[in-house]
Amino acid sequence: DTAVSQTPKYLVTQMGNDKSIKCEQNLGHDTMYWYKQDSKKFLKIMFSYNNKELIINETVPNRFSPKSPDKAHLNLHINSLELGDSAVYFCASSQLTGGRNTEAFFGQGTRLTVV
Amino acid sequence: KQEVTQIPAALSVPEGENLVLNCSFTDSAIYNLQWFRQDPGKGLTSLLLIQSSQREQTSGRLNASLDKSSGRSTLYIAASQPGDSATYLCAVSGSARQLTFGSGTQLTVLP
Repeated sequence: DTAVSQTPKYLVTQMGNDKSIKCEQNLGHDTMYWYKQDSKKFLKIMFSYNNKELIINETVPNRFSPKSPDKAHLNLHINSLELGDSAVYFCASSQLTGGRNTEAFFGQGTRLTVV
Repeated sequence: KQEVTQIPAALSVPEGENLVLNCSFTDSAIYNLQWFRQDPGKGLTSLLLIQSSQREQTSGRLNASLDKSSGRSTLYIAASQPGDSATYLCAVSGSARQLTFGSGTQLTVLP
């Protein structure tokens, strides 16, 4: 069973469109994340949710809006896509125990290409 | 703000060699450190997690060490194999409750 799954795996879309990426984890974790991996392969945190509440919101354009319907799901919606949004987006999850994160598990990534 | 550096950026070794990948971080107040492997076009696979109170962790041919006070970790791979070829990422977790990643070491093991 896949622990952290995200869909779609590939997404090609035109500038100006709105798109969503979905993420689900079956590990029972209470914390989920979105990371962006740029063309230089550097991973940077975008958002983090703990028990459906936003706890980390890095400097990300407000065109990006995360939504967590329950603690097993964290979706990422992107409005008015721009060329610079092209990247690989990773979803991850971990458990917050005693204020500390346990081992993090990552999804397979969504390669977004904006043309 | 936490910064993580990985050296070298790329490494090429012949099969069978033992090798060491290095990771350093600027803020020693971490909760844990995690090593990942990323294959081209794939996601991140967790290799080892070291808690801040631990000095090392082992899994098969992999051994990770942590020296929190000096802000350093190493990943030792014994008897390397072509299947070990991948990018290895180091990430630290602290009070910010997020993983801060290094830029990775791209390892190529030549048959």
